[in-house]
Amino acid sequence: DGGITQSPKYLFRKEGQNVTLSCEQNLNHDAMYWYRQDPGQGLRLIYYSQIVNDFQKGDIAEGYSVSREKKESFPLTVTSAQKNPTAFYLCASSTPGRGTGELFFGEGSRLTVL
Amino acid sequence: GESVGLHLPTLSVQEGDNSIINCAYSNSASDYFIWYKQESGKGPQFIIDIRSNMDKRQGQRVTVLLNKTVKHLSLQIAATQPGDSAVYFCAENPLFSGGYNKLIFGAGTRLAVHP
Repeated sequence: DGGITQSPKYLFRKEGQNVTLSCEQNLNHDAMYWYRQDPGQGLRLIYYSQIVNDFQKGDIAEGYSVSREKKESFPLTVTSAQKNPTAFYLCASSTPGRGTGELFFGEGSRLTVL
Repeated sequence: GESVGLHLPTLSVQEGDNSIINCAYSNSASDYFIWYKQESGKGPQFIIDIRSNMDKRQGQRVTVLLNKTVKHLSLQIAATQPGDSAVYFCAENPLFSGGYNKLIFGAGTRLAVHP
């Protein structure tokens, strides 16, 4: 079945460590996104990408980095510079040019900093 | 379950009743308005969208109403079922997104359906 796969589902990290969250899609979507979700809040955009080797900062990009070497993959690295990294991270994709707002989300990755 | 729904406003309804979830948006220039459903521990799922030039749109058991005068969006769910229990997010897609879906999400409302 087509969809978005995020891994790992749960991740624990010590302070000062970088971690990378995986996101893979087989929907043949050009656009991919990373969102952060905190309790009691809506989703906030970290990074987005429309094509391979191109990506743009979202509203809360500080302390995060991404790469887009393949159309199917958009990994997110949470660096030690991110001051409050504990959160639920969601990857999404969308059909290019369809600006209606329909995003296809993965199941999320929950990162906890110990 | 996940803790993403902590401290959210909660709407409690009886199974079989109709539910109305409300949302206020901020950007008059937004082109599309969207509702998402998020079940515990999962990613949000698209429910329905409405373009800014429309006032009402119906789907299967759901209706979205848009009042641009007061910047208000609502989601009506008919004959609410236990499977409708989730957190519901409204989102807006600004005209200046440039083809991306750079959505602006609301904080969410938890819907609790009781038998």
